[in-house]
Amino acid sequence: GNSVTQMEGPVTLSEEAFLTINCTYTATGYPSLFWYVQYPGEGLQLLLKATKADDKGSNKGFEATYRKETTSFHLEKGSVQVSDSAVYFCALIDLTGNQFYFGTGTSLTVIP
Amino acid sequence: DAEITQSPRHKITETGRQVTLACHQTWNHNNMFWYRQDLGHGLRLIHYSYGVQDTNKGEVSDGYSVSRSNTEDLPLTLESAASSQTSVYFCASSTAGGETQYFGPGTRLLVL
Repeated sequence: GNSVTQMEGPVTLSEEAFLTINCTYTATGYPSLFWYVQYPGEGLQLLLKATKADDKGSNKGFEATYRKETTSFHLEKGSVQVSDSAVYFCALIDLTGNQFYFGTGTSLTVIP
Repeated sequence: DAEITQSPRHKITETGRQVTLACHQTWNHNNMFWYRQDLGHGLRLIHYSYGVQDTNKGEVSDGYSVSRSNTEDLPLTLESAASSQTSVYFCASSTAGGETQYFGPGTRLLVL
């Protein structure tokens, strides 16, 4: 079956620190992979995605590379800001293209 | 601008009462989804619909029902609210086979 596992939080970093949030997946075939972000009090919104192996998704300074050999899609940012404080969800979409599977979310707090 | 809205944003109810949460989208999307978000569980799928008159059970559908009479709306009904249904509920929509889900702002439900 399909599933996503991401690192437990919460994660607390100082401003300008390097961020990595690990995500691994189990899936039938090679699904598209996503990172969603949830800011306090809001719904989820798409941060970035990658649709095939070795693709790199990027947005707002965040990056993630689709690694087929390690079934991973780790989220990275070189220098975090206070405004990056949010909950980050890794997700995959099944091969029908209709149903998502989300990880449990990782809470990030960035302190000045 | 197209959007997806949920109402109410906050609801307090008593055990045993029937509760309906509204979800309305103006994206003209075929697919609509209901999730609940709980600490330690991330997002779990309750019900989903791929079009008018189509409804399907998700991972945690017991005690919930949905109906889809038009493209824009997918109301979620708790038949007899239980304290275990205290949660934050998110509605989302996507195009058929679309790879991005658009989320509503969420409804925070407290069952006393």
